[in-house]
Amino acid sequence: EAGVTQSPTHLIKTSGQQATLRCSPISGHTSVYWYQQALGLGLQFLLWYDEGEERNRGNFPPRFSGRQFPNYSSELNVNALELEDSALYLCASSLFGEQTYFGAGTRLSVL
Amino acid sequence: AQSVAQPEDQVNVAEGNPLTVKCTYSVSGNPYLFWYVQYPNRGLQFLLKYITGDNLVKGSYGFEAEFNKSQTSFHLKKPSALVSDSALYFCAVRSYGQNFVFGPGTRLSVLP
Repeated sequence: EAGVTQSPTHLIKTSGQQATLRCSPISGHTSVYWYQQALGLGLQFLLWYDEGEERNRGNFPPRFSGRQFPNYSSELNVNALELEDSALYLCASSLFGEQTYFGAGTRLSVL
Repeated sequence: AQSVAQPEDQVNVAEGNPLTVKCTYSVSGNPYLFWYVQYPNRGLQFLLKYITGDNLVKGSYGFEAEFNKSQTSFHLKKPSALVSDSALYFCAVRSYGQNFVFGPGTRLSVLP
């Protein structure tokens, strides 16, 4: 069974550009979570999607947005990129919230 | 509001010695508690969870954790540490209908 997959592995952008990160959950999982892990810091909760709807949002500006598709895959969009957006972005999926499974992450570098 | 504290940024232990990584939490309702491990440039790997039942939970790679409701703690333990256990460890909590909240992480270094 495939785990949580994220693409791309690495993404290099310049300030002001937009970034799109993608996540495919484990088959059958309906919830997708996005986290930001900046260098040397812990995981900061970004977004939680379940059954296609946004269930909760962390303390991030509106230029961080996303969506969940009918097949439960998800996109995270970051507009007007800033240098401090450079981080590892982790996606996780779960079913009924008992346990999350993480992808390997997308490393976003903003130059 | 849910929160997780990991009071130690760094834990150093000699190989073969027991290790403990501490976690305390705050949540309304019954907690679901988790431990994850992160190796360099990798995502998080699940170690163990407490949902209900026996307070002592056994997980992957010989790790275990004890749920203590009165102290709101869920400390991670291993009887004999290995150098390969060196990694970043995260405690997480959620209650029903809420998202997962992670602690800040504790870096474990096992010295040969």
